[in-house]
Amino acid sequence: DIQMTQSPSTLSASVGDRVTITCRASQSISNWLAWYQQKPGKAPKLLIYEASSLESGVPSRFSGSGSGTEFTLTISSLQPDDFATYYCQQYTSLWTFGQGTKVEIK
Amino acid sequence: EGQLVESGGGLVQPGGSLRLSCGASGFTFKNYWMHWVRQAPGKGLVWVSRINSDGSRTFYADSVKGRFTVSRDNAKNTLYLQMNSLRAEDTAVYYCAKEHGNTWYFVDWGQGALVTVSS
Repeated sequence: DIQMTQSPSTLSASVGDRVTITCRASQSISNWLAWYQQKPGKAPKLLIYEASSLESGVPSRFSGSGSGTEFTLTISSLQPDDFATYYCQQYTSLWTFGQGTKVEIK
Repeated sequence: EGQLVESGGGLVQPGGSLRLSCGASGFTFKNYWMHWVRQAPGKGLVWVSRINSDGSRTFYADSVKGRFTVSRDNAKNTLYLQMNSLRAEDTAVYYCAKEHGNTWYFVDWGQGALVTVSS
């Protein structure tokens, strides 16, 4: 099974900060990686697919990069609505999520 | 953009059974592969099961294989998850999710249904 490891687990940041979350796969997954945002009590929401493609309607301050085993999600200027938990997901061999990164207010 | 609505969650005793439903609207349900994903309280997302568009192929996580069965009724636009031999560790919010048509990420999610396994 492919394992996904996110870092950090928690990130404290302020509005306007540039935020980067890392996701590492236990083996190469090419670019078959998605990022989701989840707010408390809500369903996850797709942000990025194929490592770097922005889902329609998602603000351009979100971007994704990487291939193989190392990936990043970047929020260029953190907004109040962005405080949430973020998950990466590989979809090349079944489906595995990272453990999540909670972005909280500093 | 489609809409997915889960139902059927609740409290069940260990060893018991429960069936979740996921009603779909706003898209051609029969054309899409569908999934179940769960999230234990305060924990992360875990993939549970996938079913192809006509219901002939299914996949399961090892943790539920042999106990859970995914199915669908395309005439009713509904996805199901039959859960048997439930354990305390199956306690979670269960989400149904729609897979993108050409690749395997999840484009739409339901609001979730809480399943609590406890005596």
